[in-house]
Parts: sequence; structure tokens; C-alpha cells
Amino acid sequence: GAVVSQHPSRVICKSGTSVKIECRSLDFQATTMFWYRQFPKQSLMLMATSNEGSKATYEQGVEKDKFLINHASLTLSTLTVTSAHPEDSSFYICSASRLPQSYTDTQYFGPGTRLTVL
Amino acid sequence: EDKVVQSPLSLVVHEGDTVTLNCSYEVTNFRSLLWYKQEKKAPTFLFMLTSSGIEKKSGRLSSILDKKELSSILNITATQTGDSAIYLCAVGSGGGADGLTFGKGTHLIIQP
Repeated sequence: GAVVSQHPSRVICKSGTSVKIECRSLDFQATTMFWYRQFPKQSLMLMATSNEGSKATYEQGVEKDKFLINHASLTLSTLTVTSAHPEDSSFYICSASRLPQSYTDTQYFGPGTRLTVL
Repeated sequence: EDKVVQSPLSLVVHEGDTVTLNCSYEVTNFRSLLWYKQEKKAPTFLFMLTSSGIEKKSGRLSSILDKKELSSILNITATQTGDSAIYLCAVGSGGGADGLTFGKGTHLIIQP
């Protein structure tokens, strides 16, 4: 149980285009979903926290107009990278939690999406 | 389908004890195994183990990769209350997406 999927697993796009990444909790309802970006040396940076039906909370330094997050249902959150640039190329990972916005409670991680912007 | 299983799911010990956390995996094209500590915000990277680096140590924490048994352990000696966290194991595979498969974590609680 507690499976989280992401789609697509890999995407290559041209600079200036927008890319949408989906994160789904397959067998449970996720009141909270988190979006991370993986940096060199394996570090993960939390980008934003989204609660179903409300606006996402972005971490300092993350442009909310560039990384649009929608948590439309209890099983789906989307991250849209708008006007993507090569520096946005990265590995994006989502996780889902059953409990509202608690970082220390169990989060179930998706497999990640590799974004390459040419 | 890639799979990472961590055990135990939860562990409560007293300060000063030594703990061993387990991670086993079944993935295609194994490339690396990573350990993270999650307290708040993003998980903090601890170690990465690969075929060329099967043992890592940092202070009271150490980790070993057993490629034959498809598993890894994370050891914490002389535990402190600050070690209380969720410890995540993730395996990187050489699949098309270069993805990470995470285990569900071990919730470690250190009691004073």
C-alpha cells in the first residue's frame, strides 16, 4: 500500500515551453503533497507543500509563478514548470502524506521525473 | 517493478543505545543506494553506496551495502535524542528515468 506515482518519468522539452508533471497517490488519499528538486550531491530541496483545495506554500527562493502547483483532488497534485529554461533541468520528486502538513510524519515518495530542457 | 523495503517501520530506544536500520531492494540495473534523514523540510542526505563504495562512515553513523544480499544497513552508535527522525532508504537504478525508488522509512525515536 501507499504507492505514489509520477508521470511522466522523463521529459525533454525546448526552452520556453511549459511542462506539467503529475503526482498521484494510487491507493490512499493524500491531504498533503510535497514537491522536491534533487540537486547535485544527492541533496533534496523542498520546493513547496500543497494541501488539497488550497494554495500551495512555497519555500523561500522558489518562484511560485514559475513552478505552478495544483492540488485539485486528494489523489492528484501537478507541478507545471512554466517557460522552462536549461537551468530548470533536474530531477523532480513528489511525496504524499496522509496527515496535513507535517514534515515528520511518513511521506511516501514517487519515483521522480527527470526534466531536461534543451 | 522496483521495490525497496525498510525495517523496522518504527523503533524506540533509549539514549546511548546502538541501532541498526535495514533496507532491502529489488531493482533492475542497480546503480546506488542512498540513505536520508528526515526531520523537517527536505530529507537530509547521509550516504550513497555504490558497487565501488560499499561502506561509508561519518561520526556515529555508518552504512554498509551487501550487493549479494541486495540490502544495506545503517548503524547509529551512542544514539542521542537528536537522532530521532525518519530514516529513508532510496535506490537509484539505471532505468530509463534514472529514478529513485524510496522505501517507506524507519521512524526512529530516541528516548532520554
